[in-house]
Amino acid sequence: NAGVMQNPRHLVRRRGQEARLRCSPMKGHSHVYWYRQLPEEGLKFMVYLQKENIIDESGMPKERFSAEFPKEGPSILRIQQVVRGDSAAYFCASSPSPGLAKETQYFGPGTRLLVL
Amino acid sequence: GENVEQHPSTLSVQEGDSAVIKCTYSDSASNYFPWYKQELGKRPQLIIDIRSNVGEKKDQRIAVTLNKTAKHFSLHITETQPEDSAVYFCAASMGGTSYGKLTFGQGTILTVHP
Repeated sequence: NAGVMQNPRHLVRRRGQEARLRCSPMKGHSHVYWYRQLPEEGLKFMVYLQKENIIDESGMPKERFSAEFPKEGPSILRIQQVVRGDSAAYFCASSPSPGLAKETQYFGPGTRLLVL
Repeated sequence: GENVEQHPSTLSVQEGDSAVIKCTYSDSASNYFPWYKQELGKRPQLIIDIRSNVGEKKDQRIAVTLNKTAKHFSLHITETQPEDSAVYFCAASMGGTSYGKLTFGQGTILTVHP
């Protein structure tokens, strides 16, 4: 089991560009969560998705940020017109399908975004 | 929404001593409490978790206790080793039939001196 995969691991963007972060959940997991970690801070929930559905986006900034989890392929976190304050580590986590211990979340290695 | 407070923010112990990290939560509906260990530049790794129908859980040198009435839970590490040095995060969520969005504490930097 390869675990949760994220790419790229490091991403450098200039202000105003777009950033696309990808997350492939563990095999058999259909729940995906995105968290943001600012330098020397804890993790903050952004969005929770199941296949083709956004379940909870209460932690997402209202503008410039969007997320999707298509039927085929990885989950994508998209940040448009990046600003320096978007520089952070973005972690994806996945959990098993309903019926199992679906609370347990396993994290990917993260994408470190640096906005110049 | 849920709020999780974690103390202390830093903890320094000698190898072989015990370490205790405490967290409080605000939402009585929370019923799942995991602990994650994060080494510098790495992913958070689940080390132990507890559900609200259990008061204590132990896994070798690590134990977690939960007091639902007081809404606090603690991580206990015994016989600490230098490789235990990391940042530890507690979290809370309403799992089970609801979705499992995690609310994290601010983290504790644990340093174990040889």
